[in-house]
Amino acid sequence: KNQVEQSPQSLIILEGKNCTLQCNYTVSPFSNLRWYKQDTGRGPVSLTIMTFSENTKSNGRYTATLDADTKQSSLHITASQLSDSASYICVVYDRGSTLGRLYFGRGTQLTVWP
Amino acid sequence: EADIYQTPRYLVIGTGKKITLECSQTMGHDKMYWYQQDPGMELHLIHYSYGVNSTEKGDLSSESTVSRIRTEHFPLTLESARPSHTSQYLCASLKTGGNTGELFFGEGSRLTVL
Repeated sequence: KNQVEQSPQSLIILEGKNCTLQCNYTVSPFSNLRWYKQDTGRGPVSLTIMTFSENTKSNGRYTATLDADTKQSSLHITASQLSDSASYICVVYDRGSTLGRLYFGRGTQLTVWP
Repeated sequence: EADIYQTPRYLVIGTGKKITLECSQTMGHDKMYWYQQDPGMELHLIHYSYGVNSTEKGDLSSESTVSRIRTEHFPLTLESARPSHTSQYLCASLKTGGNTGELFFGEGSRLTVL
């Protein structure tokens, strides 16, 4: 079973609408959680980082939340734009092991229609 | 902006050819990774390195090999390409220190084997 689960797998919304993507994880211990955006044919780029003590963090129209007790994170996109169409990947980092370990979700494919 | 570069971006070759995908980073990161990703699918770790002369196989079995002779350089080689190797290959390096654990990705190398 994947230790990082994302939902929904895909999502279609109209331009200007808001949406929320979910990420549940079982990774323990936990160092931080990042949301990456991957445009088609490009490499992923980090959007936000959430550490254990943080609940909410914003980056422009992107707002990430973290509930470390329930091991859930969400990424909320406000006033979506066509350029938001991409895959959004949740990655959990565990630096507790000697060499560090990254755990990837399968991503949510977001499509924004005009 | 990430200082990690992959070449070539696109490559179309015939079956049986030997190919090397280049990856270089100028950020001084010790940890580097190769991921394989099919269109619309998740990233699969195929190789990683924690420093010079350190290479390990990842979660997904791959017929490719890697080397790490210099910190900044992490090339991936396929001795005899097959159509099943057609995919996108993403190289990444990891910024550690503190609690960051941020991955920086290259733009990817899209390989097509005919």
